[in-house]
Amino acid sequence: DVVMTQSPLSLSVTLGQPASISCKSSQSLVYTDGNTYLNWFQQRPGQSPRRLFFKISNRDSGVPDRFSGSGSGTDFTLKITRVEAEDVGVYYCMQGTHWPQTFGQGTKVEIK
Amino acid sequence: DEEVLESGGGLVQPGGSLRLSCAASGFTFTSAIVSWVRQAPGKGLEWVSAFSGKTGGTYYVDSVKGRFTISRDNSKTTLYMQMNSLRVEDTAVYYCAKDLAVWGQGTLVTVSS
Repeated sequence: DVVMTQSPLSLSVTLGQPASISCKSSQSLVYTDGNTYLNWFQQRPGQSPRRLFFKISNRDSGVPDRFSGSGSGTDFTLKITRVEAEDVGVYYCMQGTHWPQTFGQGTKVEIK
Repeated sequence: DEEVLESGGGLVQPGGSLRLSCAASGFTFTSAIVSWVRQAPGKGLEWVSAFSGKTGGTYYVDSVKGRFTISRDNSKTTLYMQMNSLRVEDTAVYYCAKDLAVWGQGTLVTVSS
């Protein structure tokens, strides 16, 4: 199975400051069709997960543009340019290229 | 608006069975990939299984293979996951998600004696 490794596992950020989460996969996530099926999810406290990005950098509807997704191959990054209070929660990367699909451990973002 | 609604969770003894349902609103499962993702208490997300509406293919994580089975009703608006031989470690909130973009509120499965 593909192992997804996130870092850091916890992030304490001052409001208005940037944040960055790394996600590394144990093998390439490039599929035979040329696409890379790497997703990012946000889970706010007490809520269901919400997808933020699909295929590395395609932003889902309603996701603020202070969020961005980037990367390729086995290395991916989620960035928040200016953290706001509503960004508190746990962020997960997830690969959809290989079966079984697998999530990273999650990165907890809190406000300092 | 597209929505999914899970139901069927509850308390069951180890070795028992449950059937979870995922009902679609605003779409059918004809061309969607519907995934089941679970979250044990205080833990992270774990992908469990998926159904491809286009191909009819089903996919499972190793820990549930042979115990969990996905099926779809003829109206193509409800997906089921039959869970047999349940174990304590299957205790979790189970989410249904359409194309990983539309998520339900989850249903809690507790396996305990």
